[in-house]
Amino acid sequence: EAQVTQNPRYLITVTGKKLTVTCSQNMNHEYMSWYRQDPGLGLRQIYYSMNVEVTDKGDVPEGYKVSRKEKRNFPLILESPSPNQTSLYFCASSATSAGEQFFGPGTRLTVL
Amino acid sequence: ILNVEQSPQSLHVQEGDSTNFTCSFPSSNFYALHWYRWETAKSPEALFVMTLNGDEKKKGRISATLNTKEGYSYLYIKGSQPEDSATYLCASHSGSARQLTFGSGTQLTVLP
Repeated sequence: EAQVTQNPRYLITVTGKKLTVTCSQNMNHEYMSWYRQDPGLGLRQIYYSMNVEVTDKGDVPEGYKVSRKEKRNFPLILESPSPNQTSLYFCASSATSAGEQFFGPGTRLTVL
Repeated sequence: ILNVEQSPQSLHVQEGDSTNFTCSFPSSNFYALHWYRWETAKSPEALFVMTLNGDEKKKGRISATLNTKEGYSYLYIKGSQPEDSATYLCASHSGSARQLTFGSGTQLTVLP
């Protein structure tokens, strides 16, 4: 089954404790991205990747890191999480940057 | 950052009513316009990806039109059903960018 998976689905952590949210897709898509969703603001792109070893900042990259060492995986790293990073996070992949996005199930993160 | 606007922000209709929402986007350097349906507790799912001015797409009772010269798209739902209740997101891609910019969505509630 074609899908995008994310882990964990839910996470409660404390300020400053490094965490990683994993994202994996099995559709051989070149383009992957991370979004955060906050009430009233819609989906905002954090980082995206056009292909392996090619990543770039989206609209709200501050406080986040990503890597793309393999085509299927695109982890999101919060080196020192802060409460303003409490949000719902979605990973997505697509064949091209303008193509239909396939979204993962979402990760709800709470930073205390 | 592109400015993608959706209206109305929320909408309540009775079962059987037809309804429509608007998405406006910058018309310069336009490349693609996406519509997604996002049900509560699920992930956004693609409805349409449109690229050509005058394009019309249809999926069951849902259809969409695109005007790239004036920078707007309409999403229509004919004979709304309670299962149509969801947030409908549009997203625009400009040719010079490598990312989608999402609007904040229209939340539709269909009352039985």
